[in-house]
Amino acid sequence: EAQVTQNPRYLITVTGKKLTVTCSQNMNHEYMSWYRQDPGLGLRQIYYSMNVEVTDKGDVPEGYKVSRKEKRNFPLILESPSPNQTSLYFCASSRTPLITSYNEQFFGPGTRLTVL
Amino acid sequence: AQKITQTQPGMFVQEKEAVTLDCTYDTSDPSYGLFWYKQPSSGEMIFLIYQGSYDQQNATEGRYSLNFQKARKSANLVISASQLGDSAMYFCAMRQMNAGGTSYGKLTFGQGTILTVHP
Repeated sequence: EAQVTQNPRYLITVTGKKLTVTCSQNMNHEYMSWYRQDPGLGLRQIYYSMNVEVTDKGDVPEGYKVSRKEKRNFPLILESPSPNQTSLYFCASSRTPLITSYNEQFFGPGTRLTVL
Repeated sequence: AQKITQTQPGMFVQEKEAVTLDCTYDTSDPSYGLFWYKQPSSGEMIFLIYQGSYDQQNATEGRYSLNFQKARKSANLVISASQLGDSAMYFCAMRQMNAGGTSYGKLTFGQGTILTVHP
């Protein structure tokens, strides 16, 4: 089954304790991205990756790191989480980043993170 | 900068009736794509429909259709014959171009509209 998986689905942690949220897709997609969802703000892009070893900042990258060593995986790293990073996080992937053709983004199930 | 605006925080509709969810966008790029996603209470994001900026006809997918008015920069979602299972948050999103004229695939989302379908 074609899908994007994220782990963990739920996480409660404390300020300053490093954590990683994993994201994996089995569709051989080039493009992967992380978003955070906050009430009243919709989804905002954190980081994206055009392909292996190619990553760049989105709109709200502060406090986050990513890596893309393999095509299928795109982990999100919070080196020192703070309470303002409490949010619902989504990983997404698409075949290519092009917009000239129908090319939807597939979303993972989401990770609900609480930082105390 | 690109921007998506959904002015309806919440909408109510009677089962079996049609409902229109509003979306306006702002971009100076001639090439872009518009998407609608559904997010039920379980939290996952479900793709509904896509409209390309150069598409001549409005997109349709089953009970979903997109009322695309390019000159007015609006891309309203129309759901016909509403069902109880349509109750969810709905997001309008736009895929945009970067400064170099190519796409880096970013989706810019609106704030969302919560749709409640009454029996």
